[in-house]
Amino acid sequence: EPEVTQTPSHQVTQMGQEVILRCVPISNHLYFYWYRQILGQKVEFLVSFYNNEISEKSEIFDDQFSVERPDGSNFTLKIRSTKLEDSAMYFCASRDRSSGGNEQFFGPGTRLTVL
Amino acid sequence: AQSVTQPDIHITVSEGASLELRCNYSYGATPYLFWYVQSPGQGLQLLLKYFSGDTLVQGIKGFEAEFKRSQSSFNLRKPSVHWSDAAEYFCAVGRDRAGTALIFGKGTTLSVSS
Repeated sequence: EPEVTQTPSHQVTQMGQEVILRCVPISNHLYFYWYRQILGQKVEFLVSFYNNEISEKSEIFDDQFSVERPDGSNFTLKIRSTKLEDSAMYFCASRDRSSGGNEQFFGPGTRLTVL
Repeated sequence: AQSVTQPDIHITVSEGASLELRCNYSYGATPYLFWYVQSPGQGLQLLLKYFSGDTLVQGIKGFEAEFKRSQSSFNLRKPSVHWSDAAEYFCAVGRDRAGTALIFGKGTTLSVSS
C-alpha cells in the first residue's frame, strides 16, 4: 500500500541553524501539507501546497519557514534559523484530488530537537 | 473559529471491554470529521470519517463513530478492545471537501490492561 515517507526520523540541531525536513508524498497525490506537534500539545497545521504554490498557511508559518517541491517526488520544509520553540514532531501529509472529503494521508513524522 | 475538544487525556480500558472516546467540535456549518490513530513511531492513520448521510460511520479495526449535530459530538466507539488498540487517538475537523487544513484535538491516550 502506498504511504507517505519522511526523513530523517529524528533531527538534532543547534539554535540558529537551518534545517530541511524531507517528505515523499504518495505518488499520484496533488495536495501536500505540513503539520507539527509540540510535545504534549495539539497537532497544528502549518501550510498546504497545491499546484506548486502555497494555498493556505497558518500564523505559525512565518518568514522563517518555507516549502518547496524541488522535483516530482519530494516535498520539503525548511526552517531558516531554528529556535528552541521549533522543537516538535513535524508531520507531512498528502491528498489525492479525488479522495472524498479532504482525507489526508500522514507520514510517520520527523522529530526535531533544537538545542 | 473551528476547534476540537477531546476531554479525556488518558483512558485505561480492560481488554475485551467496550470503549468510547469523546470528541466535541465547534464549527458553524456541517463539518467534515475524522478520527486518526497514532501508534508509537508511526504516522497518523485514518480510522474513519464523516461527511454526510448516515450519522453512524464504520471504520477500520472494528471502530465506529456517531455524529450528533445537536451535541456537536463525534464520539469513537469499539465494542471490545484489544491490547493492540493501545495508542493515541486524535479527532479532527475539516472545513470542506477541498484541500484545506485539518484542525485537531489534543488527543486521547488509550491504555489497555489485561
